Amino acid sequence: LAKITQPISMDSYEGQEVNITCSHNNIATNDYITWYQQFPSQGPRFIIQGYKTKVTNEVASLFIPADRKSSTLSLPRVSLSDTAVYYCLVGDRTGKLIFGQGTTLQVKP
Amino acid sequence: DTAVSQTPKYLVTQMGNDKSIKCEQNLGHDTMYWYKQDSKKFLKIMFSYNNKELIINETVPNRFSPKSPDKAHLNLHINSLELGDSAVYFCASSDQGNRFRSHYNEQFFGPGTRLTVL
Repeated sequence: LAKITQPISMDSYEGQEVNITCSHNNIATNDYITWYQQFPSQGPRFIIQGYKTKVTNEVASLFIPADRKSSTLSLPRVSLSDTAVYYCLVGDRTGKLIFGQGTTLQVKP
Repeated sequence: DTAVSQTPKYLVTQMGNDKSIKCEQNLGHDTMYWYKQDSKKFLKIMFSYNNKELIINETVPNRFSPKSPDKAHLNLHINSLELGDSAVYFCASSDQGNRFRSHYNEQFFGPGTRLTVL
């Protein structure tokens, strides 16, 4: 099974750009990389998904290098409401879904 | 309107009991999932199911079984509950459609059911 690794926690200040990197060795050719956000007492919520290079939507960007063994979620100009746990999700070679352990982002004023 | 709903929100029970958690989605999705989130916030998929195929994570004990009365519902039955089953259980759904098979279509999660086994 693929091993997904991401930092346990990160701190930032309002207005800063935050980059969270996920390591996913053994990623399969057909696998996509997805990021989810989770607030306390809620279910995870989809943020962004990509396969390679760069994807951008209204809330985040996702950077994936050519070897696809890692990915970086970029949150521009974070606010206090971005304080949450961020999960990286990838499939392994058997087609199962594997979540990283989550990165707790604390945004300070 | 709630897209993915779960009942109950909280469930407290004794070891050895049998319990069920219900899940309903009104998104018209064809695939539903059950996840377990432990006390360390680690999310693990337990099942994925559409009307054609049930995929079971082999690490899930056979005391856990999904039941789907129709496309909009996927209930989770748990027999002989153990202390280690205490966790938050999330239901989710996605639309796999006619695309090349992928588990990576956006999943919509329910609010979770916090199960406490005493």
